[in-house]
Amino acid sequence: GAVVSQHPSWVICKSGTSVKIECRSLDFQATTMFWYRQFPKQSLMLMATSNEGSKATYEQGVEKDKFLINHASLTLSTLTVTSAHPEDSSFYICSARDREARLEAFFGQGTRLTVV
Amino acid sequence: SQQGEEDPQALSIQEGENATMNCSYKTSINNLQWYRQNSGRGLVHLILIRSNEREKHSGRLRVTLDTSKKSSSLLITASRAADTASYFCAAPQGGKLIFGQGTELSVKP
Repeated sequence: GAVVSQHPSWVICKSGTSVKIECRSLDFQATTMFWYRQFPKQSLMLMATSNEGSKATYEQGVEKDKFLINHASLTLSTLTVTSAHPEDSSFYICSARDREARLEAFFGQGTRLTVV
Repeated sequence: SQQGEEDPQALSIQEGENATMNCSYKTSINNLQWYRQNSGRGLVHLILIRSNEREKHSGRLRVTLDTSKKSSSLLITASRAADTASYFCAAPQGGKLIFGQGTELSVKP
């Protein structure tokens, strides 16, 4: 149980276009989802926290108009990178916490975004 | 901001040897968690230790927690080549999970 599916696993897009990344909890209801960004050989940096049905809370320094997060249902959160630029190229990972509020987090497989 | 700092940043050992990774954190915690990440993949939860526990075991994993020193260690015994991965400690902070810098472990067959 507690499977989180993230899609796509990799994407290449042109500068100026937008890319949507999906994060789904497959066998539990995720009241809270988290979006992280990871640069090569570095740790995960939390970008934002999304709660179902409410606006996401962004970490300091993260542009909310650049990284649009929607958590419309208890099983789906999306991250849209708008007007992508090469510096947005990175590994993006989502994680989810379920209604039971288990202490551990469950992670998606990650999405490798390359902006050319 | 990063909650934890880990050392070493990289560790290379031979199969069969033990690997020890350390994590230090800054604020008071209710629990501390360890995760593993294979290259280019998501994270997998390994073990959680609560603030009132000093040591916990799971298979070949042993985790210790010293709240007075705000530090934790992860020991992997009898390492295998398949243990090659990055290992992160993480601690909850205001409902969020904040990760340490990570240790990149390489186990040579």
